[in-house]
Amino acid sequence: GAVVSQHPSRVICKSGTSVKIECRSLDFQATTMFWYRQFPKQSLMLMATSNEGSKATYEQGVEKDKFLINHASLTLSTLTVTSAHPEDSSFYICSARAGLAGAKETQYFGPGTRLLVL
Amino acid sequence: GESVGLHLPTLSVQEGDNSIINCAYSNSASDYFIWYKQESGKGPQFIIDIRSNMDKRQGQRVTVLLNKTVKHLSLQIAATQPGDSAVYFCAENLSNDYKLSFGAGTTVTVRA
Repeated sequence: GAVVSQHPSRVICKSGTSVKIECRSLDFQATTMFWYRQFPKQSLMLMATSNEGSKATYEQGVEKDKFLINHASLTLSTLTVTSAHPEDSSFYICSARAGLAGAKETQYFGPGTRLLVL
Repeated sequence: GESVGLHLPTLSVQEGDNSIINCAYSNSASDYFIWYKQESGKGPQFIIDIRSNMDKRQGQRVTVLLNKTVKHLSLQIAATQPGDSAVYFCAENLSNDYKLSFGAGTTVTVRA
């Protein structure tokens, strides 16, 4: 159980275009999903937290108009990188947790999406 | 701000030996800790977790130890196998939040 998928696994796009990444919890309902960014040989950096049916909460320094997050259902969250530029190239990873707000529940991670902007 | 950190960035271990990966955390308000394993090009994989009301928890071939006095967390892997080669991250969860703060990661390399 506790499987999280991401699509696509890798994407190459031209500078200026937008890219959408999907994150799905396959066998549980995710009350909260998280989006992380990871540069090579570095740790995970939390970008934003999304709760189903409400606006995402962005971490300091993350542009909400640049990284659009939609959490339309309890099993799906999407991250759209708008007007992507080469510096947006990175490994984007989502995670999901079940459980009530405030409850200590493990986050389960997706396999990640490798984005390369040319 | 306070964050989780690791003592050693790399660890080389002989196949069959036991591995110990250390993690220091500085936020005394953290009450939930998780170890993740990340293989190259993949997302982090849950290994084991521990709550602050415990000091030891065992899983299959893995043991997590928590020393709240010195704010130290460790992951012990018994009989290390080649498939254990990966980057290991500890993560902490503040008591009033459910966001995770990740450490820098320790790269474990298993020698045949």
